[in-house]
Amino acid sequence: KAGVTQTPRYLIKTRGQQVTLSCSPISGHRSVSWYQQTPGQGLQFLFEYFSETQRNKGNFPGRFSGRQFSNSRSEMNVSTLELGDSALYLCASSLGLAGGLRNIQYFGAGTRLSVL
Amino acid sequence: AQSVTQPDIHITVSEGASLELRCNYSYGATPYLFWYVQSPGQGLQLLLKYFSGDTLVQGIKGFEAEFKRSQSSFNLRKPSVHWSDAAEYFCADLSGGYNKLIFGAGTRLAVHP
Repeated sequence: KAGVTQTPRYLIKTRGQQVTLSCSPISGHRSVSWYQQTPGQGLQFLFEYFSETQRNKGNFPGRFSGRQFSNSRSEMNVSTLELGDSALYLCASSLGLAGGLRNIQYFGAGTRLSVL
Repeated sequence: AQSVTQPDIHITVSEGASLELRCNYSYGATPYLFWYVQSPGQGLQLLLKYFSGDTLVQGIKGFEAEFKRSQSSFNLRKPSVHWSDAAEYFCADLSGGYNKLIFGAGTRLAVHP
């Protein structure tokens, strides 16, 4: 069974640009969660999608958005990039249904975004 | 607010020595607790999980963790560390609802030969 796939692995952008990151979950998983990892703030939850609906959102500005498609693939978008958006962006997939084992999250390798 | 604390930022052990990484959680109800490991430039790999039942849980790579409600702790242990265990270890709590993991700050493990 293929794992969680994130593309691209590396991105370099300049301030003010926008960027789109992609995440393909494990087959059969309907939930995708996104996290930002930085040396200063650690791992922080961005948002979670289940069946094309955002169910949960972290404390990030509106420049950070996401969506999920009918095949459960997800994208996140960051508009008007700032230097502080440089980070490793991780997505995780799970079955997404309520109850214990079905909430285990499996992570992709991440997309390293550098904003210059 | 829900939080997870890993008191040790860096730990160095000798190869073959035992290891214990500390984790404390703050959520009052029964937590869903995890340990993940991250090698440089990689994503997070699940080591083990606790939902309920037996408070001593076994994971991959010879790791185990013990849930202690009285101490709000979920410490990770390994009896004999290998050089390949050098990585960063994260404790996390899923109790925030809808697949929102709350992570500790991480503990970076170095292994001396």
